[in-house]
Amino acid sequence: GNSVTQMEGPVTLSEEAFLTINCTYTATGYPSLFWYVQYPGEGLQLLLKATKADDKGSNKGFEATYRKETTSFHLEKGSVQVSDSAVYFCALPSGGYQKVTFGTGTKLQVIP
Amino acid sequence: DGGITQSPKYLFRKEGQNVTLSCEQNLNHDAMYWYRQDPGQGLRLIYYSQIVNDFQKGDIAEGYSVSREKKESFPLTVTSAQKNPTAFYLCASSTREVAGGDTQYFGPGTRLTVL
Repeated sequence: GNSVTQMEGPVTLSEEAFLTINCTYTATGYPSLFWYVQYPGEGLQLLLKATKADDKGSNKGFEATYRKETTSFHLEKGSVQVSDSAVYFCALPSGGYQKVTFGTGTKLQVIP
Repeated sequence: DGGITQSPKYLFRKEGQNVTLSCEQNLNHDAMYWYRQDPGQGLRLIYYSQIVNDFQKGDIAEGYSVSREKKESFPLTVTSAQKNPTAFYLCASSTREVAGGDTQYFGPGTRLTVL
């Protein structure tokens, strides 16, 4: 079935630093790809998504491009803020079923 | 406001007791899901339901049970057969087009601790 692998954390950055969180996937066909974010003590919420190859998803200054050549969907932000401290999950549908497979999550800590 | 509610936020139970976690949504979604979250392991699917009166086991269903008698409700029972139930439990819902790119909406979670 479909799967995702994302970089392990935690990632610690200073405010205004550049962020990259790597995500690669294995899938049949070209499924939609998602990034979800989980703030401390809360549930997950959608950060951005891309529904077909070469699409770029963006939200709140974060971006990710669906690259079929490298089977990747890396999350980037040009200048992180303390309020971006959270756990970030890469995800994709689990081929053929109404289910979603999540990566293990990458914890980001941004220090002032 | 539309959304998903889970109750309670914190739950304590003694070993050997069954406990039921509540999940309600007013988003008119057909599909609902239960996940378990443990540190460093991401989310693991316990059960999911695509329609009322129907549900399927996920990857770690042993020791859990669910019902789906109403579209808006999908309660999860953690039974005494679950060997390591202490975890953070998340409920989610979506339309039936997840494979096509529709979003899952999550509740705030219930943290269960077995004493």
